[in-house]
Amino acid sequence: TAGITQAPTSQILAAGRSMTLRCTQDMRHNAMYWYRQDLGLGLRLIHYSNTAGTTGKGEVPDGYSVSRANTDDFPLTLASAVPSQTSVYFCASSESTGLNTEAFFGQGTRLTVV
Amino acid sequence: GQNIDQPTEMTATEGAIVQINCTYQTSGFNGLFWYQQHAGEAPTFLSYNVLDGLEEKGRFSSFLSRSKGYSYLLLKELQMKDSASYLCAVLDSNYQLIWGAGTKLIIKP
Repeated sequence: TAGITQAPTSQILAAGRSMTLRCTQDMRHNAMYWYRQDLGLGLRLIHYSNTAGTTGKGEVPDGYSVSRANTDDFPLTLASAVPSQTSVYFCASSESTGLNTEAFFGQGTRLTVV
Repeated sequence: GQNIDQPTEMTATEGAIVQINCTYQTSGFNGLFWYQQHAGEAPTFLSYNVLDGLEEKGRFSSFLSRSKGYSYLLLKELQMKDSASYLCAVLDSNYQLIWGAGTKLIIKP
C-alpha cells in the first residue's frame, strides 16, 4: 500500500517563481493537511481539508493556496516563492477529524527558495 | 496562546529507560498524541491518550494528567533504532493538532 505520496522529494526554486507540491493518498481518507517543519519549531499547519470540496486555513496560510477537487489529491501551491518559505513540507491525511484519529504522513518535500 | 513544551534533546544509554516530558497549554483538549520521527523521514504514530493514566504498548508507554497539562513518553529497553525525534501534539477544541518542537533522543552504546 502506497499510503501518501508527495512529489517532488526536493526542489530548489528561484524566488518569485511559482510551484505546486503534489500530494496523493490511496487510503480514502476524508481529511488532508499540509504542514511545514522548520528547525526548532513544531509542525505548523498551513492549510487543511476536512473532506473533498472544502478547505480551510491553518496557522501559517499566507503565500500558499490549496485545492481539494477529489478525495485523493491535495496540491499545495506557492504563487510567488520567497526565501522564508524554505522548509520541509509534509502532507498528511487522516480518516476523519475526530478523537483518536491517527495522521499518516508523506515522506516530505524539501524546498529551498533562493 | 497555545503552547507545547518538550526538552530539545536528551541522551540515554542502550538498554536503559528514558522519559520524555511534554507540558501543554491549549484552547481545549481532545487528546494528546506522540509521534516518532527518524531523521529525514516522516513522523509516525506512537500513541494517543485522552483519559488520565498510563497506556502501555510494548516497550513504549504514554502517560497523561489533564489537570496538570502534562504527559510523558516512557521508552524501556532502549535500542539504537530508538534514536529519533519524539513529537508531542495536542488536539485542541477545534480538532486541530498543535505540535511541540520535538525532543531529539540520542542513544549511546
